[in-house]
Parts: sequence; C-alpha cells; structure tokens
Amino acid sequence: GIQVEQSPPDLILQEGANSTLRCNFSDSVNNLQWFHQNPWGQLINLFYIPSGTKQNGRLSATTVATERYSLLYISSSQTTDSGVYFCAVLPTDSWGKLQFGAGTQVVVTP
Amino acid sequence: EPEVTQTPSHQVTQMGQEVILRCVPISNHLYFYWYRQILGQKVEFLVSFYNNEISEKSEIFDDQFSVERPDGSNFTLKIRSTKLEDSAMYFCAYQQVSGYGYTFGSGTRLTVV
Repeated sequence: GIQVEQSPPDLILQEGANSTLRCNFSDSVNNLQWFHQNPWGQLINLFYIPSGTKQNGRLSATTVATERYSLLYISSSQTTDSGVYFCAVLPTDSWGKLQFGAGTQVVVTP
Repeated sequence: EPEVTQTPSHQVTQMGQEVILRCVPISNHLYFYWYRQILGQKVEFLVSFYNNEISEKSEIFDDQFSVERPDGSNFTLKIRSTKLEDSAMYFCAYQQVSGYGYTFGSGTRLTVV
C-alpha cells in the first residue's frame, strides 16, 4: 500500500518563529489533507489540497502531486499552534480509505 | 469546531462488554467512515459506509465490529465484546460528496479495563 512519511517527527519552536512541515507519499493520490490534532484529541481539518497552493491566515500549504509531496507552512507561530499535524492521502486505487502519516508533534514555547 | 458530534466523548468499559459509539452529523451526508487512533499512533481506517451498506473495511474491522445507521441520522459503531487493545480514540468522518475533503467528528475516547 501507499506509504506516507512526515518530517520532522518533532519540532520545538519559539513563539513567532516560522516552520515547514513535509509530507512525502509513495504513489498517486486523489486527495490530500492536512489536519491539526489539538490537545483534546480532535482532528481539525486545515487544508484539502490534492494539488496547488492554499493559504488560511498564518497557515499555508503546497502540494506538488507530480513529485509526491506536500508542505505545510506555519508563520509567526503561536502557542495555540501546538499539537500534532497529520497529513492524510487518498490513493487513486482506494475509495474512502485515507492513509495517515505518523504526524509531526509541534510544541510552541512562549 | 467539528461539525459532527460523537457521543459519548469518553467511555470506560470492562473487557468483554459491548459498547456502542454514536455519531450525529448535522446535515444529510452520503459517505461515512470510522477511524481509530491508538494512543500515540497513527489514525487508522476501520470502515466506510455508503447508501446504508459497508463499502470497504480494514483488517481491523473483524466480526466484533458492526456499523449501522438505524434511524437515517445517527451512525453507530458497535464493538460486541471489547478487548484491552480496543482502547483508542474513535472518530467518525464524513464526506459530503465524492471528491471533496473529509470532516472528522469530535471523537470518542474508549478505555477498556
């Protein structure tokens, strides 16, 4: 099956810093999403981005489907950005079965 | 905030007991899914449900698990005889139409003791 690798596994940032999270996937996909898992365990949808670039406030994401990777940018990080960021993909040969990466644990310190 | 409410938010049950986890979407969605996340691990697919039928299930989704949409609104996941290794966060998810993103529910944390 498809492999989804996220890097780095852990990231410690000082408030105000910028960072880039990466998601590599091993096969073609129909869907790619970025989620933020907050301290209560909820999965919050950040971006639906099978290709191209999107921005939402201090967050933006870029997916280059032909090269099988996606990037999530966090700018001017805040302590509320702490949590685990997951990339999830839907392979082209799958119907409804999202494959998640292992996540990047982000800690933003004051 | 998730648009889909799951109940209960946390359930503690004894090994061997049956549990029913519920998912209440706000609007009439077509495609439903259950996922689970064992503490500290990846989110894993369990089952997909479309038009009141299971369309795909994972190896995890064995005979102990079942899903249904009994009243056309609530979407339930039943675990017949819970095991310690069923302890996890369970998420329902929906996709309003095919080709769009997935929205995950608020989650139920199941603890089997």
